[in-house]
Amino acid sequence: QKEVEQNSGPLSVPEGAIASLNCTYSDRGSQSFFWYRQYSGKSPELIMFIYSNGDKEDGRFTAQLNKASQYVSLLIRDSQPSDSATYLCAVRPISSGSARQLTFGSGTQLTVLP
Amino acid sequence: DAGITQSPRHKVTETGTPVTLRCHQTENHRYMYWYRQDPGHGLRLIHYSYGVKDTDKGEVSDGYSVSRSKTEDFLLTLESATSSQTSVYFCAIKRGTGSTDTQYFGPGTRLTVL
Repeated sequence: QKEVEQNSGPLSVPEGAIASLNCTYSDRGSQSFFWYRQYSGKSPELIMFIYSNGDKEDGRFTAQLNKASQYVSLLIRDSQPSDSATYLCAVRPISSGSARQLTFGSGTQLTVLP
Repeated sequence: DAGITQSPRHKVTETGTPVTLRCHQTENHRYMYWYRQDPGHGLRLIHYSYGVKDTDKGEVSDGYSVSRSKTEDFLLTLESATSSQTSVYFCAIKRGTGSTDTQYFGPGTRLTVL
């Protein structure tokens, strides 16, 4: 079982719709959770992070965390073609210790259709 | 922009040759990381550094070595490149402390080993 799992997609949504991206993780002691956006040929860009159970909103983005279910999601409201990218879920497992390293999922490719 | 540059941005080399990739940061961050990104595997940690001359191995360190003689520079060396090391390499820095720290990535180096 991979430590961080994402549906690789591709996920297609029409412009203006809500895109829902999901991620599950295996380390129950994980403490911090991150969503990165990566455009083709570019480096990952941090868009959201969440530490506590519940929802965290930032503009059109909402991160949702459920530690009991070991599940983190990213909702993108009013999706735009410019949101088309690969979205990487990253988790800081408790085993990272002082290294503070992240474990990444393989990413979900999102396409927003005009 | 996390003040990170990587050089070279692209490199083609032959099997068996040594290769050194450079990561340079301007913000005096203590922690620096080297990841590789391959299709289907997401980002995987190669090595990291927690200070000058302080480094440690990550998940996929075989065939790689690192050095950090100055705070601003973190070098990744492939002593004898193999085709399996064809990948995109990203350097990252850690900002913040405690549970709120986050990682930011450089622009990446695309390495092809023939």
